[in-house]
Amino acid sequence: SQTIHQWPATLVQPVGSPLSLECTVEGTSNPNLYWYRQAAGRGLQLLFYSVGIGQISSEVPQNLSASRPQDRQFILSSKKLLLSDSGFYLCAWSIDRGGNQPQHFGDGTRLSIL
Amino acid sequence: QKEVEQNSGPLSVPEGAIASLNCTYSDRGSQSFFWYRQYSGKSPELIMSIYSNGDKEDGRFTAQLNKASQYVSLLIRDSQPSDSATYLCAVGGANFGNEKLTFGTGTRLTIIP
Repeated sequence: SQTIHQWPATLVQPVGSPLSLECTVEGTSNPNLYWYRQAAGRGLQLLFYSVGIGQISSEVPQNLSASRPQDRQFILSSKKLLLSDSGFYLCAWSIDRGGNQPQHFGDGTRLSIL
Repeated sequence: QKEVEQNSGPLSVPEGAIASLNCTYSDRGSQSFFWYRQYSGKSPELIMSIYSNGDKEDGRFTAQLNKASQYVSLLIRDSQPSDSATYLCAVGGANFGNEKLTFGTGTRLTIIP
C-alpha cells in the first residue's frame, strides 16, 4: 500500500531564516505531488504541484519554492521566512491517471515563525 | 474562477441523528467529487469519492451527487461524537489531465452526546 511521509511535524523558525520541508511517497511510481498551506481556521491553499521529476507548477506567487529531485520526493523551501509564512503545511499525492483522482495527505508540518 | 462553497457552520447534531453536509460548485463540467474529514490539528482524510449522479453508500456515510444542480452532499447516519470534525468538499476539474482539486473551506460538525 502507499504511504506518505512528511517531516518535521512541528517547526519553530525565526523571521528571515531558511526553510526546507520534505515529503516522500512509498508504494507507487510517478505520483502527482502537491504542497498546500492551511492558515489557522482557514481552507487549503494550493502552493505547488508536480506531475513529474523537475516539473513544478506554482499556484501562488510568494516567498516559497518547490523542487522534485526524485520521483517520490517533494521539497518545499524558502530562503527567508516571513511572519506570514506561518501555517500548517500539507503534502499530498495522487495517482497519475489523467486527473480527477483523490489526493491523499501526509500528517503535515506545523510551522510557527517568531 | 472555480469555486466550491460550503456552509462554514458550526453544525450541531445530536448523537444518533443524521448529519447532512452540503456543497455547491461552480464549474459545470466537474467530474469528480470528494469528501474529506479533518480532525482539529490533523491532516484531511479521504472518506468518500463520487463520480456519477445519485447516491453512494459506505457504512454510515452516503454521498449524493446532482450534477444538474451542481450540488454534492454527505449524509452521516447514526452520528457519533467521533464524527465531530471539519468536513471538506473537493471537486476535480473538467479537463483531461487537470491534476488539481478545488477545496471548499469546510463545515465544522459537532455531535452532541
